[in-house]
Amino acid sequence: QKEVEQDPGPLSVPEGAIVSLNCTYSNSAFQYFMWYRQYSRKGPELLMYTYSSGNKEDGRFTAQVDKSSKYISLFIRDSQPSDSATYLCAMSALSGTSYGKLTFGQGTILTVHP
Amino acid sequence: NAGVMQNPRHLVRRRGQEARLRCSPMKGHSHVYWYRQLPEEGLKFMVYLQKENIIDESGMPKERFSAEFPKEGPSILRIQQVVRGDSAAYFCASSPPGPNTGELFFGEGSRLTVL
Repeated sequence: QKEVEQDPGPLSVPEGAIVSLNCTYSNSAFQYFMWYRQYSRKGPELLMYTYSSGNKEDGRFTAQVDKSSKYISLFIRDSQPSDSATYLCAMSALSGTSYGKLTFGQGTILTVHP
Repeated sequence: NAGVMQNPRHLVRRRGQEARLRCSPMKGHSHVYWYRQLPEEGLKFMVYLQKENIIDESGMPKERFSAEFPKEGPSILRIQQVVRGDSAAYFCASSPPGPNTGELFFGEGSRLTVL
């Protein structure tokens, strides 16, 4: 079983739709939760960053973390064609010296069509 | 305000050759990480380096792979005697000094194709 599970999709939605992306994980040591967006042939870019459980909102994006269920979500409101990309969830467990050893999900391919 | 710079962007090697991938972190960043992205898979951590030190190489294959981040110059990921299974996108990321909680800045990757 993978430490982080993410449905690869693909997911296709019409412009303006609300998109829900999800990941589950098994390692209870994970404390920091991130969503990265990756356009085709490009490097990942950080979208959202959350510590522990709770919600975080940034413009059209909302990240939710439920540590009791080991479940994280990213919601995109009023989706746009420019949101078409692969969305990667990532997590880290701090131990001793902090470092960027992230465990990624497989990524969900999202297409928003006009 | 240059980001993380990786080169070459594309590299083709025949089986048995060596591949060298270079990464210059963002200005002011002292932590460098290498990740590998295989087709249809997410990114996998390989190694974490600071200047002249390997901090964590738990994700590196035991043979043929090595990494360095010298005092001067870019970080280098070296793959000796490449095999077809090494074909992947290799991403470098960096973060600033001090405690890091996972906010990494990624380069655009180096895509290795082994013939």
